[in-house]
Amino acid sequence: SQKIEQNSEALNIQEGKTATLTCNYTNYSPAYLQWYRQDPGRGPVFLLLIRENEKEKRKERLKVTFDTTLKQSLFHITASQPADSATYLCALISNAGKSTFGDGTTLTVKP
Amino acid sequence: EPEVTQTPSHQVTQMGQEVILRCVPISNHLYFYWYRQILGQKVEFLVSFYNNEISEKSEIFDDQFSVERPDGSNFTLKIRSTKLEDSAMYFCASREDRGPTSDGYTFGSGTRLTVV
Repeated sequence: SQKIEQNSEALNIQEGKTATLTCNYTNYSPAYLQWYRQDPGRGPVFLLLIRENEKEKRKERLKVTFDTTLKQSLFHITASQPADSATYLCALISNAGKSTFGDGTTLTVKP
Repeated sequence: EPEVTQTPSHQVTQMGQEVILRCVPISNHLYFYWYRQILGQKVEFLVSFYNNEISEKSEIFDDQFSVERPDGSNFTLKIRSTKLEDSAMYFCASREDRGPTSDGYTFGSGTRLTVV
């Protein structure tokens, strides 16, 4: 069955460092992959999308990589700030438009 | 910035009752979705809707669930006979029609459904 794993439930880093979050998947061939941010009690907020034929995408301090051979996406936040503290979700989207979310990784950036 | 609006923000209902959760997607969006998130668990896909019909649904979306776009602005999720395990946050989302890989989805703030 399809499985998505995001690295450790919680990640704590110091302000200014780079946070790296991992999304691994099995038994799935997504058309593309999305990363979202979710704050407590709120809906997910879209951050970045990367297609199966793309290796890397950047947006301001955010970078996403996608390796379809390893079946892995990495999400990086450079120069992290306390305001980046949230839960980050990866979602795999099939060609039919069905999305499957990971459990999320809770990031805490300490000042 | 345009947003997806969901009402009510919190609904409490008796087990066995019908509930309708309402959503107003962004006006120029053509693809609509419902998701649920049980407290402390992952976001789960329920259904996608395009051109006035369901395009994809998950195994969660059984005969108890239905969706409707009754007019040009609203998108509703109906649960016919609620069960305790239907208690969750329900999110509506929409996206523009710029191709299947053009953008992420815009989510609403959710409706917290509590079945007692």
